[in-house]
Amino acid sequence: DTAVSQTPKYLVTQMGNDKSIKCEQNLGHDTMYWYKQDSKKFLKIMFSYNNKELIINETVPNRFSPKSPDKAHLNLHINSLELGDSAVYFCASSQDRDWNEKLFFGSGTQLSVL
Amino acid sequence: QQQVKQSPQSLIVQKGGISIINCAYENTAFDYFPWYQQFPGKGPALLIAIRPDVSEKKEGRFTISFNKSAKQFSLHIMDSQPGDSATYFCAANRARDDKIIFGKGTRLHILP
Repeated sequence: DTAVSQTPKYLVTQMGNDKSIKCEQNLGHDTMYWYKQDSKKFLKIMFSYNNKELIINETVPNRFSPKSPDKAHLNLHINSLELGDSAVYFCASSQDRDWNEKLFFGSGTQLSVL
Repeated sequence: QQQVKQSPQSLIVQKGGISIINCAYENTAFDYFPWYQQFPGKGPALLIAIRPDVSEKKEGRFTISFNKSAKQFSLHIMDSQPGDSATYFCAANRARDDKIIFGKGTRLHILP
């Protein structure tokens, strides 16, 4: 059983489109995250949710909107996609917000904007 | 401001050799220092971690050395194997802080 699963694995789309990436964790964790990894492998946090509540928003353009329908799910919706949005997006989870000593990552969604 | 500096950017080591990756941090409030390993097409996975109350932690062939006064920590991979070829990230954070800070990663390639 996959602990943190995200779909789709690959996403190729045109500039200006709107797309969503879904993430689910079956670990019973309270906190979930979205990370962006650029072509140089640099990992940068975008958002963090704890029990469906937004706790970190790292200066991400408001074209990116996370949605957490319940604490096991954190989806990422991206409006008006731009070329610079091309990257690998990772969902992750941790036990709680106060002691996130171990992050569990999904396998990533490779987004290519043409 | 990059709070965790990692070097080298890439590293090639012969099979059986020792791989060493270094990290330096700035924030003295950090109290947890993990290393993550990422294989191509996969998400990062926790490899080993250390807290600043010890100077070394060993798990199998992987060892973290920690120098609190110098604000540096390093990962040593003994008897490096081709299966260790991956990207390694050091990181740091503090308790009660949601944001873990990652280094920029080191691409390690072990020659067979």
